[in-house]
Parts: sequence; C-alpha cells; structure tokens
Amino acid sequence: DTGVSQDPRHKITKRGQNVTFRCDPISEHNRLYWYRQTLGQGPEFLTYFQNEAQLEKSRLLSDRFSAERPKGSFSTLEIQRTEQGDSAMYLCASRGTDYGYTFGSGTRLTVV
Amino acid sequence: QQQVKQSPQSLIVQKGGISIINCAYENTAFDYFPWYQQFPGKGPALLIAIRPDVSEKKEGRFTISFNKSAKQFSLHIMDSQPGDSATYFCAASPGGGGSNYKLTFGKGTLLTVNP
Repeated sequence: DTGVSQDPRHKITKRGQNVTFRCDPISEHNRLYWYRQTLGQGPEFLTYFQNEAQLEKSRLLSDRFSAERPKGSFSTLEIQRTEQGDSAMYLCASRGTDYGYTFGSGTRLTVV
Repeated sequence: QQQVKQSPQSLIVQKGGISIINCAYENTAFDYFPWYQQFPGKGPALLIAIRPDVSEKKEGRFTISFNKSAKQFSLHIMDSQPGDSATYFCAASPGGGGSNYKLTFGKGTLLTVNP
C-alpha cells in the first residue's frame, strides 16, 4: 500500500451538475477525513469517519454535500447541484492509531 | 474565528540560511501541533509534530519550538535548501480520549529558497 489514493485528480463540471469523488485510504487506517482547500488557504475540515461511522460533519458542509464510507474501506464525497463556490481542492486523509495524518494528492474541482 | 494564526504569509531565504515560521493558537484544548509541507499539486505531507509536554523537537534540519504559556509554536528550517521551497502549514488538534483529532490549519507560508 503506497498511500492515500484519490480519484479523479481533476474534475471540471458545469454549475448545477452532481459530482462524486473517491478516496482509498491506507488499508490499515480505520480513521478517514475529508478536507477542502481553497487557493491561498489552509485545508478546512469537512467530515470524519471512524470505520464506517460518520462521527462528525462540519457546519461548512451544506445539505448538498454527502459522504459515505461503506464497510469502512473507501469513501466517497458527493456534491449535488454544484455551485461556483464549490471550486476547491478536496483532500482525503487517513490515520491509524497514532496522531499523524496521511493526505492524498486531492481532487481539484472546477465549477464553470 | 481563526483559531490558528500563521506568519509570515511568504518568506524568501538564501540557500544555507534559516527559515522561521510562527504560529499562535487560541484554543487551550489543542494538544497536538504538526507542521505540514505542501508542494504544488500535491496534498500536505507531515513534516514534524510536537505535543505540549516538551518545548522543542528536532528532526534533522527541522525544529519545532513550543511555548505553552504564550500559546505559540514555530518551525525552524536550518541550512535551507532550494528543495525546501514549498508552502508550509502549521496545524493543531485536540487530543485525549474521544477526540477525533480534527486538525485546524493556519493559512500557510510560501517559502522560497534562492540558490
């Protein structure tokens, strides 16, 4: 296992369309996080899973956003009815029993 | 409310010099303070981290200094190299039982090391 994988790397979509991103964490990591990073800013927390349970969602996450982690393995993040303000880098990270996160390379979303 | 304030926003250093980036936090529940390095088009990579039970941690050319009473911590990069040119983020999270270790990041410092 070489790290956290995210797919796709880039996504361009028209406003109003739905998009879905996938994250494959490090296999032995049971904790998974989604963050959003806009240009010139640090990543902002979106949501957290421990195994298959979604334990926390940020107030930043509107009703148009939903995340799942079936069977505690890979995770998906769906954005419905995309808006231009959703344009950002979406980062997935996983963590084992220690404190340190391993981030993926992210999915860059551009809404036109 | 920005819980982790990072400065400077950008920094230019000559090769071989010392790069210093500072962060201040407000939430006294923070218990874990990592620094991440990010290259363009990549996700952040953990560089070094510290817990508040020590005032300094060194790994190779990278040192974290931590001042619990002032609620400040800093990253020092000794003998800075052009390959260190990247964006650096400080972060903080609560710890302890039941914590989800959610990270709060600073806004980042763009470091340029000139040859």
